[in-house]
Amino acid sequence: EAGVAQSPRYKIIEKRQSVAFWCNPISGHATLYWYQQILGQGPKLLIQFQNNGVVDDSQLPKDRFSAERLKGVDSTLKIQPAKLEDSAVYLCASSLGTGGYQEGELFFGEGSRLTVL
Amino acid sequence: GQSLEQPSEVTAVEGAIVQINCTYQTSGFYGLSWYQQHDGGAPTFLSYNALDGLEETGRFSSFLSRSDSYGYLLLQELQMKDSASYFCAVRLNQGGKLIFGQGTELSVKP
Repeated sequence: EAGVAQSPRYKIIEKRQSVAFWCNPISGHATLYWYQQILGQGPKLLIQFQNNGVVDDSQLPKDRFSAERLKGVDSTLKIQPAKLEDSAVYLCASSLGTGGYQEGELFFGEGSRLTVL
Repeated sequence: GQSLEQPSEVTAVEGAIVQINCTYQTSGFYGLSWYQQHDGGAPTFLSYNALDGLEETGRFSSFLSRSDSYGYLLLQELQMKDSASYFCAVRLNQGGKLIFGQGTELSVKP
């Protein structure tokens, strides 16, 4: 089966510019996650969707970050305006649903590496 | 707040056994996962424990003690390709947030 697809793989922008990342989860996966991973740290959850509803966005800096998941499939994460501290890898992940082993198993995309100059 | 504690670095030799510990203090607990991440790569799922005890998957095993808020990942017959970062992650409640520790960098020496 096809994995989680993300684009672009790399993006370099200047501070105060905007950027958007796209994610296509594994077919049939109801839950979609966006994580931010700064070099040398663990992934930090930005937002979690269940179908097209938001489960948790408590750590999303809403003054500059936005995310949507239209029709419960693809998702877009946008940053506007970007700051230097936003330099990180943005990981999209999906999982089949809730309950049992599915609670622990996330499938990650290769990530989008953002450099803000 | 939520905290997951793991050692930052572990070094071991090929063929040896290594244990990576994870202790957690979280507002809720549904289960503990382990992920492997090679440099520049995506995290990949290794194991999940929702109940106390040991889960074995090939060379890797994972253990959970809910009463001690503690778990570990055990890697046996270490190979050079096992050099990577390992993350524990806690699911706070069913369908809820999955939060990650800061990771343990494992170096396997010949």
